[in-house]
Amino acid sequence: DVKVTQSSRYLVKRTGEKVFLECVQDMDHENMFWYRQDPGLGLRLIYFSYDVKMKEKGDIPEGYSVSREKKERFSLILESASTNQTSMYLCASSRWAGAYNEQFFGPGTRLTVL
Amino acid sequence: GESVGLHLPTLSVQEGDNSIINCAYSNSASDYFIWYKQESGKGPQFIIDIRSNMDKRQGQRVTVLLNKTVKHLSLQIAATQPGDSAVYFCAENISRDDKIIFGKGTRLHILP
Repeated sequence: DVKVTQSSRYLVKRTGEKVFLECVQDMDHENMFWYRQDPGLGLRLIYFSYDVKMKEKGDIPEGYSVSREKKERFSLILESASTNQTSMYLCASSRWAGAYNEQFFGPGTRLTVL
Repeated sequence: GESVGLHLPTLSVQEGDNSIINCAYSNSASDYFIWYKQESGKGPQFIIDIRSNMDKRQGQRVTVLLNKTVKHLSLQIAATQPGDSAVYFCAENISRDDKIIFGKGTRLHILP
């Protein structure tokens, strides 16, 4: 079974802090994704990566950056956390484009920025 | 904006009855559709998928129907159980694209 793990289930940070959210998948998937999920807004794509060191902006990249140094790991970085970044963050992975690429999700990290 | 949406944000169903959750999509180029289930405090989990060359696919207690003419997708859950209580998302994909577009979700409440 595909396993996607996220470094923390719950995280509390202060405004202005630098925040790292880590995601690891164990199925050798090429694609990895970061979403945030907010009530009434559904899942919104922040960034995704289709290969090591490759990244593309999603729908709401402002205030975020990402890093993919290894195939299995995709990090989301909040350079200076703000209260409007309080949210549930979900990581996902999938096989390469061209296949019918179902995404497999991690359990999520609930981030609170005070 | 989003090309995938849902008709109802909340659905309440009596335990044992069948549930039908609907979804509309607007991108006629989409050729792959997925239903996800998200329980409280967890990430979305794959339930069932369907490709555009099919109009019906059945799983265990779940059936997905695809009507490409009106760009409509539905998820039917037979004999709804308390464990079915969750938010259900439809999602669409164009098979050559890495990204999936998610609908906003429908919360399914099971009444005793």
